[in-house]
Amino acid sequence: EDQVTQSPEALRLQEGESSSLNCSYTVSGLRGLFWYRQDPGKGPEFLFTLYSAGEEKEKERLKATLTKKESFLHITAPKPEDSATYLCAVQAANYGQNFVFGPGTRLSVLP
Amino acid sequence: KAGVTQTPRYLIKTRGQQVTLSCSPISGHRSVSWYQQTPGQGLQFLFEYFSETQRNKGNFPGRFSGRQFSNSRSEMNVSTLELGDSALYLCASSSLPLPGQNYEQYFGPGTRLTVT
Repeated sequence: EDQVTQSPEALRLQEGESSSLNCSYTVSGLRGLFWYRQDPGKGPEFLFTLYSAGEEKEKERLKATLTKKESFLHITAPKPEDSATYLCAVQAANYGQNFVFGPGTRLSVLP
Repeated sequence: KAGVTQTPRYLIKTRGQQVTLSCSPISGHRSVSWYQQTPGQGLQFLFEYFSETQRNKGNFPGRFSGRQFSNSRSEMNVSTLELGDSALYLCASSSLPLPGQNYEQYFGPGTRLTVT
């Protein structure tokens, strides 16, 4: 059965304290893995698309990496404005345009 | 470029009623997907429309339906509302990527539906 898990469920960091979020997936025929950021009461905001193992994408303090079984979102020197829920989603070959989302990691960055 | 818009932003309905939610995709995007987000189940796929045709459907009862118009705007309808239908309903739009471009799906702000 295809599934996406994320860890940790919640993470509290001090400003400037770097860390990584994990997204593990089991899916037949991965077409793409996507990272989103969601603020309370808002829709998810697109961050990255990753297609193949070894691929990396960067944006400001965020870097996403992909292996055959998992993806990491590395946050370098986070700021309080990075506080949000980070969601990963997979698109499989037999899903069409359907995404399967993980439960998310709730990140809090304290000043 | 304007983003994905959804109306209304908030709705309160009573059990047994029906509701229609609207989504306008980013200009040029022909694919519209709908998702339900709840604290317990997270984000779950409802259905996806492309060029007025439903291409993919999630595991939801037939009370949930949708349609897409020729201008790519989409509506979803929920009939005979139940308390468990209370959720944030999100619409997302995307376009077919050109060679060398990444696939990207953009979400609207959502419609918060409360069923009492």
